[in-house]
Amino acid sequence: GAVVSQHPSRVICKSGTSVKIECRSLDFQATTMFWYRQFPKQSLMLMATSNEGSKATYEQGVEKDKFLINHASLTLSTLTVTSAHPEDSSFYICSARERVDSYGYTFGSGTRLTVV
Amino acid sequence: SQQGEEDPQALSIQEGENATMNCSYKTSINNLQWYRQNSGRGLVHLILIRSNEREKHSGRLRVTLDTSKKSSSLLITASRAADTASYFCATDRGNTGKLIFGQGTTLQVKP
Repeated sequence: GAVVSQHPSRVICKSGTSVKIECRSLDFQATTMFWYRQFPKQSLMLMATSNEGSKATYEQGVEKDKFLINHASLTLSTLTVTSAHPEDSSFYICSARERVDSYGYTFGSGTRLTVV
Repeated sequence: SQQGEEDPQALSIQEGENATMNCSYKTSINNLQWYRQNSGRGLVHLILIRSNEREKHSGRLRVTLDTSKKSSSLLITASRAADTASYFCATDRGNTGKLIFGQGTTLQVKP
């Protein structure tokens, strides 16, 4: 089946630094990937839709300058948390569909970001 | 924004018992999906039910959908300790491909 690899699984960074999270579709091409954020014991909140070769579309309330998304190829999307602060600490998860007309989504294993 | 509510928020049962989780949503849908998440991990797709379907089975899973009430339920029969996880329903937002998740139910199955 379709596999989405997300890296790193855990990262600790200092306040003010930037962190990049990668999401790769291993055995299929994904023109669209989605980024979610999850706080402890809460649900997933959609942050943005990453589109290959074009700008990402962000959900209302998500700072596009803080969460930079790049989808440079059909198999790779990256989320960069810029100038991270402790309140950015969270679990970030990406997902992708194998086909545009497919209803099934494959999720990465998530990245636990801790900003100290 | 969240699509809707799930209840219960937490459920604790003994191994062998059945677990039922409910999900409500607000807008019209093309389909509704259920996902499972083990603690601190990614999500695993369990089952999808289309808007023109009322019930679907997959192994020990049974999903129902009532579009008139904008609600769905997930039944796990003969639960096992390994079923301990959080379960989320998710709906697509129109034809955007965006999945919007419910609040989730945390299920604990005691051996």
